[in-house]
Amino acid sequence: AQSVTQLGSHVSVSEGALVLLRCNYSSSVPPYLFWYVQYPNQGLQLLLKYTTGATLVKGINGFEAEFNKSQTSFHLRKPSVHISDTAEYFCAVSQRRALTFGSGTRLQVQP
Amino acid sequence: SQTIHQWPATLVQPVGSPLSLECTVEGTSNPNLYWYRQAAGRGLQLLFYSVGIGQISSEVPQNLSASRPQDRQFILSSKKLLLSDSGFYLCAWSVSRDYGYTFGSGTRLTVV
Repeated sequence: AQSVTQLGSHVSVSEGALVLLRCNYSSSVPPYLFWYVQYPNQGLQLLLKYTTGATLVKGINGFEAEFNKSQTSFHLRKPSVHISDTAEYFCAVSQRRALTFGSGTRLQVQP
Repeated sequence: SQTIHQWPATLVQPVGSPLSLECTVEGTSNPNLYWYRQAAGRGLQLLFYSVGIGQISSEVPQNLSASRPQDRQFILSSKKLLLSDSGFYLCAWSVSRDYGYTFGSGTRLTVV
């Protein structure tokens, strides 16, 4: 069975700072991993995904994530956040039929 | 290009009333379809998924049901709503395990 743990339900940073959102997974098969962003009262938008190949994955809006098999992690980071990055972020692992999501991390970017 | 439509955007329903939420996908054939619920302060809970017309798998026993009458149509229903059915309902589609999901814009359901 697969599961996803996101450490830190709320993260607050200043605009321009580096942000790191943590995600650890467990999977009995080679994992496919995803990060999604959700703005208030909207659906989820795909930021990036890891399937195979290079472990550093670049996504939209300047976000990137690194797949670390030995640590079973897929942390998301952005070198310099903007106020518009304020949103909730979800890590997910692909099961055979459906994605399993973490509980989410709410990112607040302060001016 | 592929698009997903979900409606209504918001809904306020009394306890005991029926529910029907509809989701349609355009631009793809035989997608996998999903219904998720997001309750306040909680993550996303998979409710139902479907790999084809008339094929529905339920993940969580509950007061809800789903149907797929057409290839690109997915409906979430209830005969009698409970207060605990309140939440943000999201429909999504996918074509393969490594593809990821494309989500609809969601329906905010408040049961009063």
